[in-house]
Amino acid sequence: AQSVSQHNHHVILSEAASLELGCNYSYGGTVNLFWYVQYPGQHLQLLLKYFSGDPLVKGIKGFEAEFIKSKFSFNLRKPSVQWSDTAEYFCALDTGGYQKVTFGTGTKLQVIP
Amino acid sequence: GAGVSQSPSNKVTEKGKDVELRCDPISGHTALYWYRQRLGQGLEFLIYFQGNSAPDKSGLPSDRFSAERTGESVSTLTIQRTQQEDSAVYLCASSPPMGGEQYFGPGTRLTVT
Repeated sequence: AQSVSQHNHHVILSEAASLELGCNYSYGGTVNLFWYVQYPGQHLQLLLKYFSGDPLVKGIKGFEAEFIKSKFSFNLRKPSVQWSDTAEYFCALDTGGYQKVTFGTGTKLQVIP
Repeated sequence: GAGVSQSPSNKVTEKGKDVELRCDPISGHTALYWYRQRLGQGLEFLIYFQGNSAPDKSGLPSDRFSAERTGESVSTLTIQRTQQEDSAVYLCASSPPMGGEQYFGPGTRLTVT
């Protein structure tokens, strides 16, 4: 069965620091990958997605993620975080067809001004 | 266009009572998911509907939980004989045919007293 691992459960950074949140998945076939974000008190919303093509995908608010097939990874990055990036970030795996999407356990990011 | 809506937004109930939560997905979205999010925790998958296929109920925590969906429209999640540990935010999400991005509703905050 497919699975998604997010090893960083809670990350604390100062403003302007660089961010990298890990996401690894377990599945041998073609995948679609997503990062979702949940700001305090708000809905979960899509940050970025990878379906095919360029493995480096860019999302909203300066976030990007790189799909590395050989490492089964889809890490989220941002060169310089802001206090407003404080949120919980979820990685998700879609194996296509009619299989359900699998979410990771989430990473809480706290950015200190 | 209209997003995913859920009702009620908040529900307070006494232990032992039954509750029914409603989700209206985006029109045309064949996939519908229910998740539970306990305070400070990640997403817990509950159930997945895809078109007219048999639902994936593998995440339902006990036989007190059930869900229905009529065609590709409204879904209801029913919790019978509620317990205090059922207190959480219940999230619904829908996505288009053949997978892709999930669109989340605002959630129903359930408090069992």
